[in-house]
Amino acid sequence: DQQVKQNSPSLSVQEGRISILNCDYTNSMFDYFLWYKKYPAEGPTFLISISSIKDKNEDGRFTVFLNKSAKHLSLHIVPSQPGDSAVYFCIGTFYNTDKLIFGTGTRLQVFP
Amino acid sequence: SQTIHQWPATLVQPVGSPLSLECTVEGTSNPNLYWYRQAAGRGLQLLFYSVGIGQISSEVPQNLSASRPQDRQFILSSKKLLLSDSGFYLCAWSTGLAGFSRAEQYFGPGTRLTVT
Repeated sequence: DQQVKQNSPSLSVQEGRISILNCDYTNSMFDYFLWYKKYPAEGPTFLISISSIKDKNEDGRFTVFLNKSAKHLSLHIVPSQPGDSAVYFCIGTFYNTDKLIFGTGTRLQVFP
Repeated sequence: SQTIHQWPATLVQPVGSPLSLECTVEGTSNPNLYWYRQAAGRGLQLLFYSVGIGQISSEVPQNLSASRPQDRQFILSSKKLLLSDSGFYLCAWSTGLAGFSRAEQYFGPGTRLTVT
């Protein structure tokens, strides 16, 4: 039972354009969401998060949008840069637990 | 600064053989420690986590076990590997502050295990 779904396994975007990575979740008990980024041969690293009481969180070029009624998140990267090429994991979690529920990841490739 | 080490980076083991993966953290005390596995086509799945020496919580029943003999050492083991144990294993740590999941988790480079 995949509670966090990233239905696009890969995405290719031109440098300077917007990258939009989508994520759907099924567990309405999630109250916090995170995005992690993973480069080859490295562990995932934290990118950005959003609490379920918000619908948007912005950090520089990265913005995460949350639509609770649709159980949908998206990560926007504007403008996209070649260094953003990585696998992006969407994660749902619950307050006061150690459980991070990972999606399957989306491989983003930003080309010049 | 804190660092997390995992070894080996890659491992090929026959079915039925034992397994021992080690993870150590430097530069922090009393971290929360985690073992994750990513199987092909799936997201990372939490296997075990530990909030202190000798304290292990298992998330998924399987033929794997974990131990924490020292504050900053976390070991993943198996007595007999199965083909289904193949995957990418990641160790992670966090500061374990209140509202655990709000504490960022820092991942090691991972071990790719192939069971043949």
